Parts: sequence; C-alpha cells; structure tokens
Amino acid sequence: AQSVTQLGSHVSVSEGALVLLRCNYSSSVPPYLFWYVQYPNQGLQLLLKYTTGATLVKGINGFEAEFKKSETSFHLTKPSAHMSDAAEYFCAVSLWGYSSASKIIFGSGTRLSIRP
Amino acid sequence: DVKVTQSSRYLVKRTGEKVFLECVQDMDHENMFWYRQDPGLGLRLIYFSYDVKMKEKGDIPEGYSVSREKKERFSLILESASTNQTSMYLCASTRADRGGLNEKLFFGSGTQLSVL
Repeated sequence: AQSVTQLGSHVSVSEGALVLLRCNYSSSVPPYLFWYVQYPNQGLQLLLKYTTGATLVKGINGFEAEFKKSETSFHLTKPSAHMSDAAEYFCAVSLWGYSSASKIIFGSGTRLSIRP
Repeated sequence: DVKVTQSSRYLVKRTGEKVFLECVQDMDHENMFWYRQDPGLGLRLIYFSYDVKMKEKGDIPEGYSVSREKKERFSLILESASTNQTSMYLCASTRADRGGLNEKLFFGSGTQLSVL
C-alpha cells in the first residue's frame, strides 16, 4: 500500500542544534514530495517541495530536504534550530490513485520542540 | 487573494444527525480533497475529487460520502454522525501539473466538528 512514514512523533533539540526530521514513503514510481508546517493554532503552510530536477530542495525559514530515491526518503533538515521553529511538521506525497487521478497523503506528523 | 472557504469554523451535532460540510474554492482548481486531522494521526484522506462528479475514496471513507456538482464546490456528508467522527475537518484544493501529479495544496481554515 502507498504510505508515508514519519519516524518520531516528537523530536526535541536545543536552540542552535541541527534539526533532522525523517520521512520515508512507499511508492512504485517517484512521487512529488512536500513538507508542511503547522504552528500552534494556525493552518498548514508549505515549507518546501520536490517535483523533478535537483534532489536537494530549499524552503522557507532555512529548511531544506533531500530526495533520495534509493532510500525512498525525504528527510527535512535545518542546520541551526530557532525557538520559532517549534511546530508540527508533516511530510506529504502526491501519488497516483486508482482512477488515474493523483492524490496527496500525509504522514502522522512530528512535533518539534526547541529547548533554550 | 486565492481562497478556500469552509462554511463553518465550529459545529456541534448530535449522534445520528446528517451533517453537511461545505467547501468552496475560487482558484478554478481541478482537484479537491477532504481530510480529517486528529492528534497523533496527522491528516488522513477521506475522499478526493478530480473533476465535477468524479470522486475517489481516500484512506478512511467509511461513514462519509461526498458531492461535487460544480467545479468550485466540494461537500462532505456524514450520513449518520457518530462520536468517533468528532475531529477537525480540512478541505483543500490544488491544480494538477502537466504530468498529472498534484502540486501545492491550498487549505481552508478547517471545521472543528463535535458529535455529542
């Protein structure tokens, strides 16, 4: 079955430390891949996306992610965490459905906490 | 400003009631989606639609149906509401690119449904 797996429902890092949020997908063909962020009491906003071309993509707020086809992964990183990064992060993939239309499915989310 | 509008921000219904959640987008998008968001489970796809009158089940369609009579409007119907359908419901729309896969999702502000 097509799926998206986010390892770690909660990640806590110190301010200034590396942020690494993991995402793996299962699909028989390369999908489009996305990371969305949801700040407390707000809606979801797009952080970055991979469609085709360069496998390292840069997003807003200093985040980036690398598409690794051989590992079916799309991990999100940021070199230095800031207190304002505390939020819930969702990995998502755009996949083909049964009707030849495409759909977008999400992982279960990772809550990122930043320690002062 | 592009917009996805959900008719209600908060809704309280009784068990067994028929519930209609409405969503309207003004971006002429082909594809529209209904998700429910629950803590620890992320966003789960209920149904999506890729054209007027065309729909496909998502991962959790049981207890729900949908209607898309016009391109801009996508309705979610709970035929007989149950307490386990208490959740945040998110509508989203997107354009499919030339390859057919979905691009960035535009979300409505959500409807928090409580079924008592």
